[in-house]
Amino acid sequence: SAVISQKPSRDICQRGTSLTIQCQVDSQVTMMFWYRQQPGQSLTLIATANQGSEATYESGFVIDKFPISRPNLTFSTLTVSNMSPEDSSIYLCSDSRGDNYGYTFGSGTRLTVV
Amino acid sequence: GEDVEQSLFLSVREGDSSVINCTYTDSSSTYLYWYKQEPGAGLQLLTYIFSNMDMKQDQRLTVLLNKKDKHLSLRIADTQTGDSAIYFCAESINKGRDDKIIFGKGTRLHILP
Repeated sequence: SAVISQKPSRDICQRGTSLTIQCQVDSQVTMMFWYRQQPGQSLTLIATANQGSEATYESGFVIDKFPISRPNLTFSTLTVSNMSPEDSSIYLCSDSRGDNYGYTFGSGTRLTVV
Repeated sequence: GEDVEQSLFLSVREGDSSVINCTYTDSSSTYLYWYKQEPGAGLQLLTYIFSNMDMKQDQRLTVLLNKKDKHLSLRIADTQTGDSAIYFCAESINKGRDDKIIFGKGTRLHILP
């Protein structure tokens, strides 16, 4: 199965700053997904990142707040911009190799905004 | 709409069977999944079932799917302390170019001695 390396694993950031989270997949995948898991909640899909096109954002999430890059088929970044304490969450990336393989997740980035 | 529901907590005695239930709303789901999240770790895919199946068995795990009722369950036989985790039910939705996975909130399985 795929291996996804996600970093940083955790960070404490000041209000108003930005943090970029990186995900590296060990082989080429068409789609990558970015999720947020707020305390006590399930995963919420932020956006789908396809190589060569703009990311597709879910309702409630906008590009200005969560810009995403997908420069090639093995790498993606999510930036959390102009952070506030409400952005404190775990952020996860995942890939999709097709339904037969399910979705592999990174280990998550635990973000605390103070 | 797209929604996946599951109970938040389950307590089971060590050695008994655990049954975690899930309901979903989107009838176009192609695959349904069970993921396990141990403390401090990412999600681990436990098992999955294709929507045209009604049962899948994998060692101690049995997945039952009732497509008519949109009900999915995960049975863990001979529950061990290492099974203590949060279990997420998820459905994959494929509609044209729209391909995503929707998660339930997770069921926290607690093992009693």
